[in-house]
Amino acid sequence: DAGITQSPRHKVTETGTPVTLRCHQTENHRYMYWYRQDPGHGLRLIHYSYGVKDTDKGEVSDGYSVSRSKTEDFLLTLESATSSQTSVYFCAIKGPSGDNEQFFGPGTRLTVL
Amino acid sequence: GESVGLHLPTLSVQEGDNSIINCAYSNSASDYFIWYKQESGKGPQFIIDIRSNMDKRQGQRVTVLLNKTVKHLSLQIAATQPGDSAVYFCAEDTGNQFYFGTGTSLTVIP
Repeated sequence: DAGITQSPRHKVTETGTPVTLRCHQTENHRYMYWYRQDPGHGLRLIHYSYGVKDTDKGEVSDGYSVSRSKTEDFLLTLESATSSQTSVYFCAIKGPSGDNEQFFGPGTRLTVL
Repeated sequence: GESVGLHLPTLSVQEGDNSIINCAYSNSASDYFIWYKQESGKGPQFIIDIRSNMDKRQGQRVTVLLNKTVKHLSLQIAATQPGDSAVYFCAEDTGNQFYFGTGTSLTVIP
């Protein structure tokens, strides 16, 4: 899996609670991404990072925040989880400049009750 | 936002036949187009990509065709095998962001 891990792999939480998902890479790649995957929508980008402390919004960023304090870790936080955020979340990394291949983590299944 | 769509949500083929999966895209400025394969319970896996200035690229048993005139992308899998059963996504790489289609589920019939 190209040195990418996600934790937790499964989580059930209640509406209104904060949730943090962690993505960890051992490849020292600059770019990291958080996606959500829902039936009928494919993969949609939430946020991405192009370096330590450098992040930007994707197409579905509302309700999510991210942080990247070191190269290997990219955190996704749901400040106050809602049922609409029930989804499978994938982290991905991208190789060096000029290489557009993304490597995906195994995913985190989040259920918000 | 970007729009990347697939013509058919499901496709069934006989083992040994060739498979063709199609995709339409909307952003003419994309640098690369990529195909991913996703097996059940796993993250997407890169298959092949094609740069926007190319029409065709071949890999091992796979070929990607790009028609920029009609903004159409296709993935051809030769001699489809049971292990090819999965969901296939096309994606556009605009430089910083990737936009994915909704996926086509390929089932290989033994």
